[in-house]
Amino acid sequence: DSGVTQTPKHLITATGQRVTLRCSPRSGDLSVYWYQQSLDQGLQFLIQYYNGEERAKGNILERFSAQQFPDLHSELNLSSLELGDSALYFCASSVVGEGGELFFGEGSRLTVL
Amino acid sequence: GQNIDQPTEMTATEGAIVQINCTYQTSGFNGLFWYQQHAGEAPTFLSYNVLDGLEEKGRFSSFLSRSKGYSYLLLKELQMKDSASYLCAVLNYGQNFVFGPGTRLSVLP
Repeated sequence: DSGVTQTPKHLITATGQRVTLRCSPRSGDLSVYWYQQSLDQGLQFLIQYYNGEERAKGNILERFSAQQFPDLHSELNLSSLELGDSALYFCASSVVGEGGELFFGEGSRLTVL
Repeated sequence: GQNIDQPTEMTATEGAIVQINCTYQTSGFNGLFWYQQHAGEAPTFLSYNVLDGLEEKGRFSSFLSRSKGYSYLLLKELQMKDSASYLCAVLNYGQNFVFGPGTRLSVLP
């Protein structure tokens, strides 16, 4: 158990819909990262938050947005869903980032039909 | 730009030794990490290098050469459960982790 909690574990929805994925980082970790992993693909960095502020942005679509709340949990919002958005979405947290490893949640598997 | 390369697939025999290479070009360097990922599961941390040289951790060792932008993960006494993807990741100056495409290792009996 990494200490990072993600919900829901599985989600099936239709094209055009909107979903919210939730992540609670390890206790004490201020940094939260979101990654997308499509079938048999590598981890694609989406966005990073540090103590409530957006710190870095990767290849995140405009249809996607995220935020980190004062209690440090984070949400990833995916809207106008397309078939290609079907993927595993991982949240990870770290202490600060400098020399600190990433701890991953179990992921949220999104299937868009 | 940022680029991390790893071989796509490797195959090895149970009990053998395998070396998985990783080359990188990133905007700054604050350390290199190796993760193991079984299919459909979360990546788990294996090793971390920030200085040149070899770090050993049981059956797993990782080597780093910063001047060459090169690292490798060495797995000894391979077991069937080592069949997984191995991800190389660089922590850059932006405190962001950039992952390579991963190497899928198959261990055969």
